[in-house]
Amino acid sequence: AQSVTQLDSQVPVFEEAPVELRCNYSSSVSVYLFWYVQYPNQGLQLLLKYLSGSTLVKGINGFEAEFNKSQTSFHLRKPSVHISDTAEYFCAVSAGGTSYGKLTFGQGTILTVHP
Amino acid sequence: EAGVTQSPTHLIKTRGQQATLRCSPISGHTSVYWYQQALGLGLQFLLWYDEGEERNRGNFPPRFSGRQFPNYSSELNVNALELEDSALYLCASGRVSSGNTIYFGEGSWLTVV
Repeated sequence: AQSVTQLDSQVPVFEEAPVELRCNYSSSVSVYLFWYVQYPNQGLQLLLKYLSGSTLVKGINGFEAEFNKSQTSFHLRKPSVHISDTAEYFCAVSAGGTSYGKLTFGQGTILTVHP
Repeated sequence: EAGVTQSPTHLIKTRGQQATLRCSPISGHTSVYWYQQALGLGLQFLLWYDEGEERNRGNFPPRFSGRQFPNYSSELNVNALELEDSALYLCASGRVSSGNTIYFGEGSWLTVV
């Protein structure tokens, strides 16, 4: 079984400032890791994913995340945020293989970007 | 290419009634996943269908059921509705060759009164 902990429920930040949203996971098997974003009253949009290979993954909208196996973390970063980045962000993990789509989600982090 | 489409967008039902939600996957995707996003409970895996078969289900009672049709679209049925079934129900689709990633629809809001 897997579990995901998003360490911050809310992150306020000013426009053009850098941001880091923290995610830790636990699993007894190798995992796939994902970040999704949810804008108000919408579904989930994939930001980026780690399946294997390079531990630094780049996603859409200037976001990137680093997989750290020893610390079981997958933190999401953006060097300069925009007002339009205001949304809720979810970290998720799957066991991979044929179960790649059975995701365990964290509780979400609400990012609020202030002008 | 069309994404995952869900209907209806909003649905209001009375406690004890049945609700049916529908999902059309991305063309070429054979797997459909259902997730529930309830206030205070977060996103929870509900059901997984692949090639017409139920492959796995989350920790939900049997009154949550569904099926997948030959064209890979899917239906989620919730019987004997309870107030706590009020939630956003998200459908996602994928296939192994699509990079081991699932893509979500916009969701269906179910309100039980």
